[in-house]
Amino acid sequence: QKEVEQDPGPLSVPEGAIVSLNCTYSNSAFQYFMWYRQYSRKGPELLMYTYSSGNKEDGRFTAQVDKSSKYISLFIRDSQPSDSATYLCAMDNQGGKLIFGQGTELSVKP
Amino acid sequence: DSGVTQTPKHLITATGQRVTLRCSPRSGDLSVYWYQQSLDQGLQFLIQYYNGEERAKGNILERFSAQQFPDLHSELNLSSLELGDSALYFCASSDSVDVNTEAFFGQGTRLTVV
Repeated sequence: QKEVEQDPGPLSVPEGAIVSLNCTYSNSAFQYFMWYRQYSRKGPELLMYTYSSGNKEDGRFTAQVDKSSKYISLFIRDSQPSDSATYLCAMDNQGGKLIFGQGTELSVKP
Repeated sequence: DSGVTQTPKHLITATGQRVTLRCSPRSGDLSVYWYQQSLDQGLQFLIQYYNGEERAKGNILERFSAQQFPDLHSELNLSSLELGDSALYFCASSDSVDVNTEAFFGQGTRLTVV
């Protein structure tokens, strides 16, 4: 079993929809939770990170962490075609190395 | 532009050969991380250097090695290449040694082993 599980999709939604992306994990030592966005043939770019449990909002993006359920989510409101990319969750247990999910491929149709 | 520079962008080589991938971190970042991204394994951590010293190791094969130089650039050496080593290799940098909450990734080197 992988330490971090993420549904690879693909996920296709119409423009303006609310998108929900999720990851589950097994290692309770993870304390830092990140979401990266990766466009085709590009390097991942950090969207946001959360420490421990709770919510964090940044514009149209909201990250949620539920440590009791070992479940994290990223919500994208008013999705745009430019949001079409692969979204990767990542986790850090203070060891310096990030453990990534497989990535979910998202397509937002105009 | 993340500020992390990787060269070359593409590399095609034959099985059994050796290649060197290069990474220049963002100005001021002391940590350099190497990741391998393949279709079946996703993004996998290989190794971290901090200010010239090896800091953390992932599932890096013995055929692979890395180093970080005094000017903080890093090189990943891949030897005795196999078809299965074909992947995207990313370098990332951050100013942190332990908690990696803001790693910046380069554009990657696409390695094809034929």
